[in-house]
Amino acid sequence: GAGVSQSPSNKVTEKGKDVELRCDPISGHTALYWYRQSLGQGLEFLIYFQGNSAPDKSGLPSDRFSAERTGGSVSTLTIQRTQQEDSAVYLCASSLAQREFGYTFGSGTRLTVV
Amino acid sequence: GESVGLHLPTLSVQEGDNSIINCAYSNSASDYFIWYKQESGKGPQFIIDIRSNMDKRQGQRVTVLLNKTVKHLSLQIAATQPGDSAVYFCAENGDNAGNMLTFGGGTRLMVKP
Repeated sequence: GAGVSQSPSNKVTEKGKDVELRCDPISGHTALYWYRQSLGQGLEFLIYFQGNSAPDKSGLPSDRFSAERTGGSVSTLTIQRTQQEDSAVYLCASSLAQREFGYTFGSGTRLTVV
Repeated sequence: GESVGLHLPTLSVQEGDNSIINCAYSNSASDYFIWYKQESGKGPQFIIDIRSNMDKRQGQRVTVLLNKTVKHLSLQIAATQPGDSAVYFCAENGDNAGNMLTFGGGTRLMVKP
């Protein structure tokens, strides 16, 4: 696609429910990243996929968070048993190759846990 | 700038004036730096980048300055316009960090007409 697409754009969920956030990267981009942005804060790294390599999960805050990337393209970030502190904007970005910068970000999914 | 709790540092400038947004980084191994602009409701957008073998790089109305001695990065915007109002983030990449960018806390720029 022309840009990085994320869905849904907004998600309100009840505490304890599971949610799935989707990211469609730019076609041909081999690297995909998930970041989290809490209100008024900077970007917190969550997870990084590069080609067929094992993902870098070092930023995932707890074992309730997981992500997968199928076929080297679409990625899904799953949060199980959501908590109120999970409320944030979840941003996905993609880039062409390792050490190729200028990530292109999607517009994010705003998650609100009530 | 560094964020403090929920409150981003804010820079307020008059339309037409020049803006300078500052960023301190801590990783002396960082060799690549980027400035991003984030408008409300949107993802961050690439503005300009600089490698550590340079100390200045210019784009259209924007200049990035890098001082490796004090680990300081700045973004200068000339003739600031209302459309420049946004949150600005610096990001760094260290030589051992693969393709990972570490983002600063952000600075909110408000342009007064």
